[in-house]
Amino acid sequence: DTGVSQNPRHKITKRGQNVTFRCDPISEHNRLYWYRQTLGQGPEFLTYFQNEAQLEKSRLLSDRFSAERPKGSFSTLEIQRTEQGDSAMYLCASSLQGAGANYGYTFGSGTRLTVV
Amino acid sequence: AQKITQTQPGMFVQEKEAVTLDCTYDTSDQSYGLFWYKQPSSGEMIFLIYQGSYDEQNATEGRYSLNFQKARKSANLVISASQLGDSAMYFCAMREVNYNFNKFYFGSGTKLNVKP
Repeated sequence: DTGVSQNPRHKITKRGQNVTFRCDPISEHNRLYWYRQTLGQGPEFLTYFQNEAQLEKSRLLSDRFSAERPKGSFSTLEIQRTEQGDSAMYLCASSLQGAGANYGYTFGSGTRLTVV
Repeated sequence: AQKITQTQPGMFVQEKEAVTLDCTYDTSDQSYGLFWYKQPSSGEMIFLIYQGSYDEQNATEGRYSLNFQKARKSANLVISASQLGDSAMYFCAMREVNYNFNKFYFGSGTKLNVKP
């Protein structure tokens, strides 16, 4: 297993366009998370899935954002009608339920979105 | 209010010397976990060390140790014998176990530069 994989690594898009990112978690991990990291800040929680169920969404996740994990494996994060304020690094992470209170996530390398 | 505060935007340390990165946190929960992550320029978040709120001993992992002062709500990371490869962003994070076992709160990070 090569860890958490995110594609694409970089995306430049024009304002108003839709973009979709993909995350492939570690295969045995049933929990998957999306975070957003703007320049000079730490990651902020967006949403998380347990298997295919989306169990929590942050208020940061406006109605232009949608995340899916259709078969409990990979996940997609779509941003519709992108705005310049959406420019950020989008990080995906996965973990195993029941791994213990001291577990950290395994993060991917992120997708850097630039909206021009 | 900020859950995690990192007051050092940037730090310099000479190779082979020790460095302390500061972190204070805010929670009313009794049960929580404190983490440090390293983020190199490639973007992925690398888990370094964990401290549980009920742990009486300070956590250590190789060259990393966590100076946990519960009454002061501080969880400083100490890196001993700095190496050039330690140059990166470092993030302190907290998980409030009772409230939301899965969500992390991150600080704004400290950029560490190790000088040869």
